[in-house]
Amino acid sequence: EPEVTQTPSHQVTQMGQEVILRCVPISNHLYFYWYRQILGQKVEFLVSFYNNEISEKSEIFDDQFSVERPDGSNFTLKIRSTKLEDSAMYFCASSESLAGTSGRTEHFGPGTRLTVL
Amino acid sequence: AQRVTQPEKLLSVFKGAPVELKCNYSYSGSPELFWYVQYSRQRLQLLLRHISRESIKGFTADLNKGETSFHLKKPFAQEEDSAMYYCALSRGTGFQKLVFGTGTRLLVSP
Repeated sequence: EPEVTQTPSHQVTQMGQEVILRCVPISNHLYFYWYRQILGQKVEFLVSFYNNEISEKSEIFDDQFSVERPDGSNFTLKIRSTKLEDSAMYFCASSESLAGTSGRTEHFGPGTRLTVL
Repeated sequence: AQRVTQPEKLLSVFKGAPVELKCNYSYSGSPELFWYVQYSRQRLQLLLRHISRESIKGFTADLNKGETSFHLKKPFAQEEDSAMYYCALSRGTGFQKLVFGTGTRLLVSP
């Protein structure tokens, strides 16, 4: 069964540095998402992406964050200048077309643990 | 605003005992409700959603709009059910974000 993949599994960075988290969604999926989970807290929505543009973003997704689908297979999350509070597990997800009555299912990647020192 | 509440952080039961993981939500519209499960060192995966009205791995969940609840139930817990369970809501069907609860860790002891 195809799966969403994410790299790296763990990223350690210094405060103020830029990081790029990478995701390869399932190949025929059209909708892409980033979520994050700070240790001990709930999974929180960051951003959704469809047809090469952001569909929705949360309050967390400020100007320091950006997303891109550079080559038709990868989906990246960039944090321009990391802060200590950006330390979290970042999950990528993708979902298929909405056609039909079964509703969409979001398939999650294994996550990237980002540690900001 | 949408909110999902899972009041129990940890639920510990013995194998063969019934299990009920509680989930309450607040949303003024018609939500779509989901249960996601995360086994140890694995990714989040969909367990079931209310729109399908199906039973997966013996688990069922019924949407109660009057009580705004979507509790997850299983009559006889198995050790392999031990995992983190997240209730989630989206604003109806379609391309909508998921709002998660804080999760309940289910621990099934032999």
